[in-house]
Amino acid sequence: AQSVTQPDIHITVSEGASLELRCNYSYGATPYLFWYVQSPGQGLQLLLKYFSGDTLVQGIKGFEAEFKRSQSSFNLRKPSVHWSDAAEYFCAVQGNTDKLIFGTGTRLQVFP
Amino acid sequence: KAGVTQTPRYLIKTRGQQVTLSCSPISGHRSVSWYQQTPGQGLQFLFEYFSETQRNKGNFPGRFSGRQFSNSRSEMNVSTLELGDSALYLCASSLEIPSSPGYTFGSGTRLTVV
Repeated sequence: AQSVTQPDIHITVSEGASLELRCNYSYGATPYLFWYVQSPGQGLQLLLKYFSGDTLVQGIKGFEAEFKRSQSSFNLRKPSVHWSDAAEYFCAVQGNTDKLIFGTGTRLQVFP
Repeated sequence: KAGVTQTPRYLIKTRGQQVTLSCSPISGHRSVSWYQQTPGQGLQFLFEYFSETQRNKGNFPGRFSGRQFSNSRSEMNVSTLELGDSALYLCASSLEIPSSPGYTFGSGTRLTVV
């Protein structure tokens, strides 16, 4: 069965520090992978996606993610976090049934 | 271009009532999916419509239903509301072509059942 695991429920970083949010997936083939961000009371905004080609994907707001097939991972990174990055981040996989399967999310808190 | 539009943004209903939520996808998008988001269960897939046909359904009771119109707009209906139906309901639309997977989400409808 397809699944997504985000092992970190809550992460706190200082503004300007680097960030890495972890995501592991379970899927039989190479899936389509996504990172979404959600601010309180809002919908989901797509940060980036991977479905083929270069395993390092650049997204919006300075985020990037690296697909590692051997580790079944798709970790999200940002070299320098801004206070406005505080939000909840969801990793998702889209398999052959087309529905998105989401992880449980990681809440990012940024201290000045 | 306009994004995915969901109406209403907020809704308060009484247990036992029924509710209809609306979603207008991005122009040209023919696939519309619905998700329920709750603190306890996270984001869960409800159903997906493509060209007015339900193509995929999640594990929700029959009280949850939906439909899609010829202009790709979609509605979901929840009958006999229960307290546990309180959630953020998110609609997402997709171009539905192999070279561009993924969905664009609306801002959601916050349903509170009292």
